[in-house]
Amino acid sequence: GAVVSQHPSWVICKSGTSVKIECRSLDFQATTMFWYRQFPKQSLMLMATSNEGSKATYEQGVEKDKFLINHASLTLSTLTVTSAHPEDSSFYICSARPDPGRNEQYFGPGTRLTVT
Amino acid sequence: AQTVTQSQPEMSVQEAETVTLSCTYDTSESNYYLFWYKQPPSRQMILVIRQEAYKQQNATENRFSVNFQKAAKSFSLKISDSQLGDTAMYFCAFMRGGSEKLVFGKGTKLTVNP
Repeated sequence: GAVVSQHPSWVICKSGTSVKIECRSLDFQATTMFWYRQFPKQSLMLMATSNEGSKATYEQGVEKDKFLINHASLTLSTLTVTSAHPEDSSFYICSARPDPGRNEQYFGPGTRLTVT
Repeated sequence: AQTVTQSQPEMSVQEAETVTLSCTYDTSESNYYLFWYKQPPSRQMILVIRQEAYKQQNATENRFSVNFQKAAKSFSLKISDSQLGDTAMYFCAFMRGGSEKLVFGKGTKLTVNP
């Protein structure tokens, strides 16, 4: 149980284009999902907290107009990187919280984004 | 703000032996949770073990156990009978009670040698 999927697993896009990454909780409902960014050989950096039916809460220093987050249902959150630039190339990971009382997050397998 | 420190960037252990990964944290909160996550080469983050700060008993999950020293703000992970599949990055993480956010340490790269 508590499986989270991400799609695509990797994507290459041209500079200036936008790319959408999907995060789905497969066997549970998640009122809260999280988006992280991980640079090579580094830790996870929280970008934003996504709540179903409301606006995402972004961490300090994260451009909300560049990283658009939509949590349209209890099983789906999307991250859209708009007008991508090579510096946006990174590994993006989502997580979902199945039960607020348990304080656990389950992670997706990540999406490798390369902007050329 | 809470911080999590993992002082060992890399460690190695022989198969079947025991290894301990260190983690310290800094907080003024009394209600919080601590986690160890494993990230193998596949990059999939996997929850290894969790500990509630209000529980004095150390958490155990099969070959994985923690040494939670609340006063010292230390939360080390012991892996017994190490297996090749334990090779991974291990991240220690902190969550304040009432918060949803995880604060991660920088990770320890563990290599299990045959």
